Amino acid sequence: KAGVTQTPRYLIKTRGQQVTLSCSPISGHRSVSWYQQTPGQGLQFLFEYFSETQRNKGNFPGRFSGRQFSNSRSEMNVSTLELGDSALYLCASSARTGPNTEAFFGQGTRLTVV
Amino acid sequence: DQQVKQNSPSLSVQEGRISILNCDYTNSMFDYFLWYKKYPAEGPTFLISISSIKDKNEDGRFTVFLNKSAKHLSLHIVPSQPGDSAVYFCAARGGDMRFGAGTRLTVKP
Repeated sequence: KAGVTQTPRYLIKTRGQQVTLSCSPISGHRSVSWYQQTPGQGLQFLFEYFSETQRNKGNFPGRFSGRQFSNSRSEMNVSTLELGDSALYLCASSARTGPNTEAFFGQGTRLTVV
Repeated sequence: DQQVKQNSPSLSVQEGRISILNCDYTNSMFDYFLWYKKYPAEGPTFLISISSIKDKNEDGRFTVFLNKSAKHLSLHIVPSQPGDSAVYFCAARGGDMRFGAGTRLTVKP
């Protein structure tokens, strides 16, 4: 069974540009969550999607957005990039949402904003 | 909003000894808790979990303890091995899943 796939693995963008990251969850998983990891900050929750609907959203500005498609694949978009957006972006998939559910992570997309 | 806190950024132990990683949470709506292990350049890997209806869950060398009244959980690794050296994240679920900042564990041979 294939794991969570994130593309691209690495990305370099310039301030002011926008970027789209992609996540393909484990087959059969319908929940996808996105996290930002920066040094010393742990994993900061961005948003969670389940069956194409955003279920929860973290404390990030509106420049960060996402969506989920009918095949459960998800994309997140960051517009008007800032230097502080440089981070590892992780996607996690779960079979369902709510308690008693483990999430499985992809390897992440390392975004560098210059 | 740091609803999940890991107050020790790093921990160093000798091989064969016990490693104890701690985690505190503030949201009483959390009812499922997980530990993840992360190596550099990889995504976190699920390690062990515990439901709020339990106070202990064991899986081989790994045991998680939950103290609901204190809103505290801990991960015990016995015996510790050099391959356990990684960053450990505590996570809690109510609806979505929230993570602590992580503790870097170093196990010295």
